[in-house]
Amino acid sequence: TQLLEQSPQFLSIQEGENLTVYCNSSSVFSSLQWYRQEPGEGPVLLVTVVTGGEVKKLKRLTFQFGDARKDSSLHITAAQPGDTGLYLCAGVPLGTYKYIFGTGTRLKVLA
Amino acid sequence: EADIYQTPRYLVIGTGKKITLECSQTMGHDKMYWYQQDPGMELHLIHYSYGVNSTEKGDLSSESTVSRIRTEHFPLTLESARPSHTSQYLCASRRAAQDTQYFGPGTRLTVL
Repeated sequence: TQLLEQSPQFLSIQEGENLTVYCNSSSVFSSLQWYRQEPGEGPVLLVTVVTGGEVKKLKRLTFQFGDARKDSSLHITAAQPGDTGLYLCAGVPLGTYKYIFGTGTRLKVLA
Repeated sequence: EADIYQTPRYLVIGTGKKITLECSQTMGHDKMYWYQQDPGMELHLIHYSYGVNSTEKGDLSSESTVSRIRTEHFPLTLESARPSHTSQYLCASRRAAQDTQYFGPGTRLTVL
């Protein structure tokens, strides 16, 4: 079974703090996507990482794809209450056609 | 910006009613998906389609059915709704050659 394990599962921090969310697998992915989902809404795509070692920045969010394309991380600098939500990584393991989602990280940023 | 739409956004109905949840996308994507998600929980794939007249059941057993008569439209139907069907239903689509899925805003269904 191919799994995408995310850590931490829950995170509650104060506004202004930094944090990192991890997405790990034993499978290789051609690409990984990161989504943020707010309660009652659909997941919204944040970024797609494709190349091993790739780093992408989206304002205060920095995404990294592992060299072996088995893992990824999301770093948020100076978190704000608007960053609160469920963060999901997802992708298609090489050799399969199945799109799988990570276990999710629920982030709460307190003002 | 993803052009994928779901209606209704919220629906409260009584047990035994037949309902259809609508999903449309204007991106010309071949592949479309339906997921079921309880609040704060993981997404479960219940149906998918790789093109017109192609539909398959997903990982999670569901009493719903789907159809794909047009590329842009992928409705989901519950013939007889039950309280156990209460959940959020998310529709997604993607281009055949790309992995990235784009999601609609979801339909929150409550069956009394």
